[in-house]
Amino acid sequence: GENVEQHPSTLSVQEGDSAVIKCTYSDSASNYFPWYKQELGKRPQLIIDIRSNVGEKKDQRIAVTLNKTAKHFSLHITETQPEDSAVYFCAASKNDMRFGAGTRLTVKP
Amino acid sequence: DAGITQSPRYKITETGRQVTLMCHQTWSHSYMFWYRQDLGHGLRLIYYSAAADITDKGEVPDGYVVSRSKTENFPLTLESATRSQTSVYFCASSVDRVKGSQHFGDGTRLSIL
Repeated sequence: GENVEQHPSTLSVQEGDSAVIKCTYSDSASNYFPWYKQELGKRPQLIIDIRSNVGEKKDQRIAVTLNKTAKHFSLHITETQPEDSAVYFCAASKNDMRFGAGTRLTVKP
Repeated sequence: DAGITQSPRYKITETGRQVTLMCHQTWSHSYMFWYRQDLGHGLRLIYYSAAADITDKGEVPDGYVVSRSKTENFPLTLESATRSQTSVYFCASSVDRVKGSQHFGDGTRLSIL
């Protein structure tokens, strides 16, 4: 089945800096790649997603890039703010949604 | 999103007991899912359902039973709880199984002593 690896497991940045989280997947047939944000004690919430026919998607300070050849996709957060602090999960979907293990992002004021 | 609710939010039980976690959604989504979340593993799919009376195994189904007699409800039962099933359980729903975003409930924190 699909295997999703996510790096780094923890990431600490200064407010205003950029943060990048990377994921790789194993099944080249995967065609949907969402990113979820989970604040402490809360539910995961979708923040952005991309489909396999698109290379890049942007929504304000958040962008996702997809490299189908290399089977990896990345989340980019620019001008980070303390409220961006959370755990971020990537996922890849073909027959089932498989999630990465998560990245704990801390944005220091 | 108030459209999907889980109960209870917290549960403590003992090994060998049966426990049922409830999930209710008001969006009439076809698909519903149960995940468990453990440190270092992210979210792992236990079971999913494509419609009423249609369920299928996910990545980690052993020790769990599900049913879906009505579209809006998808209960998860641990028939004989074990300590390894201590986890946070999330229910989710979506319009499409693989190509649509999933909407999660608030989770149930289950501790098995």
